[in-house]
Amino acid sequence: NAGVTQTPKFRILKIGQSMTLQCTQDMNHNYMYWYRQDPGMGLKLIYYSVGAGITDKGEVPNGYNVSRSTTEDFPLRLELAAPSQTSVYFCASSYSSGAVNEQFFGPGTRLTVL
Amino acid sequence: GDSVTQMEGPVTLSEEAFLTINCTYTATGYPSLFWYVQYPGEGLQLLLKATKADDKGSNKGFEATYRKETTSFHLEKGSVQVSDSAVYFCALRYNNAGNMLTFGGGTRLMVKP
Repeated sequence: NAGVTQTPKFRILKIGQSMTLQCTQDMNHNYMYWYRQDPGMGLKLIYYSVGAGITDKGEVPNGYNVSRSTTEDFPLRLELAAPSQTSVYFCASSYSSGAVNEQFFGPGTRLTVL
Repeated sequence: GDSVTQMEGPVTLSEEAFLTINCTYTATGYPSLFWYVQYPGEGLQLLLKATKADDKGSNKGFEATYRKETTSFHLEKGSVQVSDSAVYFCALRYNNAGNMLTFGGGTRLMVKP
């Protein structure tokens, strides 16, 4: 199993450009998440999904969009990149809710907006 | 709202020293508590967890006890190694729809030979 994979690993965008961060998991997990990690800070939840076709906002959703057309994929879309979106983005997945269900994280995408 | 507070780093120790990283939380209910570790250039990995008061989570020589009376979940290790150098995150989660984690700010540990 590859686990949770993310592409690209690094990206530099100009202000106003758009891009999609890709996330795929091969563990047949129902739940998927997008977090951002700002320098010296903890992770903040952007969006999450409890299954294909179902998404919901997290703590910091402004400026982002998501879709979940399949169990495996959960792309994150930035429509008009802003310097405030410079961060490291992590995708995660878990089987379900409940105390024993661990979230598995991808390696991250480092995004810089100039 | 719920929150997690960790001691600020970096924490610099010599090999074989004793480690404590403090974590306290504010929560309205009874969450599960976690420690995640992030090695350089990698994503987060679950290190240990505790799901109810007085539970002790342990893994790879690390331990943490869920203390409801002090709302704490301090991470300890008796003898650190250079390979333990990483950023450690304390987090809480409720066992409800969404399964969402609330993270502390992270504590960087540097272990010198």
